[in-house]
Amino acid sequence: ETGVTQTPRHLVMGMTNKKSLKCEQHLGHNAMYWYKQSAKKPLELMFVYSLEERVENNSVPSRFSPECPNSSHLFLHLHTLQPEDSALYLCASSQDRIVHPNSPLHFGNGTRLTVT
Amino acid sequence: AQSVAQPEDQVNVAEGNPLTVKCTYSVSGNPYLFWYVQYPNRGLQFLLKYITGDNLVKGSYGFEAEFNKSQTSFHLKKPSALVSDSALYFCAVLNNAGNMLTFGGGTRLMVKP
Repeated sequence: ETGVTQTPRHLVMGMTNKKSLKCEQHLGHNAMYWYKQSAKKPLELMFVYSLEERVENNSVPSRFSPECPNSSHLFLHLHTLQPEDSALYLCASSQDRIVHPNSPLHFGNGTRLTVT
Repeated sequence: AQSVAQPEDQVNVAEGNPLTVKCTYSVSGNPYLFWYVQYPNRGLQFLLKYITGDNLVKGSYGFEAEFNKSQTSFHLKKPSALVSDSALYFCAVLNNAGNMLTFGGGTRLMVKP
């Protein structure tokens, strides 16, 4: 049990579908992150939320829309995705936006997304 | 800009042999360094960290890493590999301000019986 729970574990969607990924952390952390992990590519940081405010958006296409209703929950809303968006989407949390060396990122198990 | 390089896409080791997974970094100021491990269909799990002090740090599952400032390296090591160590390993560097954590591209470790 990592303390960060992601649902669903697997998702297959067509390019015209709308779906959402959910992340919940049970660690009392104040910062949450979305990462994209594609085959043979480095981890890509997509969004960062701190105390429910988006503080970083790394040039992510608008077909990805994050939402952070409270410090424990983070969503990634998906619409009109492309096949190249197929990847493992990882949620992570940390005590604060400023990552303390003694409190590194805690990751969920990810959602494996396939866009057909 | 800070960066992390893991020069090997894959490392193959026989069970019982020592293993090394390489990592070099570039960052302004003193680095904070981490290793994470990812098993199939799982997220990244924290393995060990270097903040300050002894250059050899010990972590979970018998892993250790050696910090070498002059070579800007933080190689992951284990004296005797297990088949269950087979996984994807990520090195990461955190800047002094704590607002930028950069991951390497990952190295797949394959331990064969």
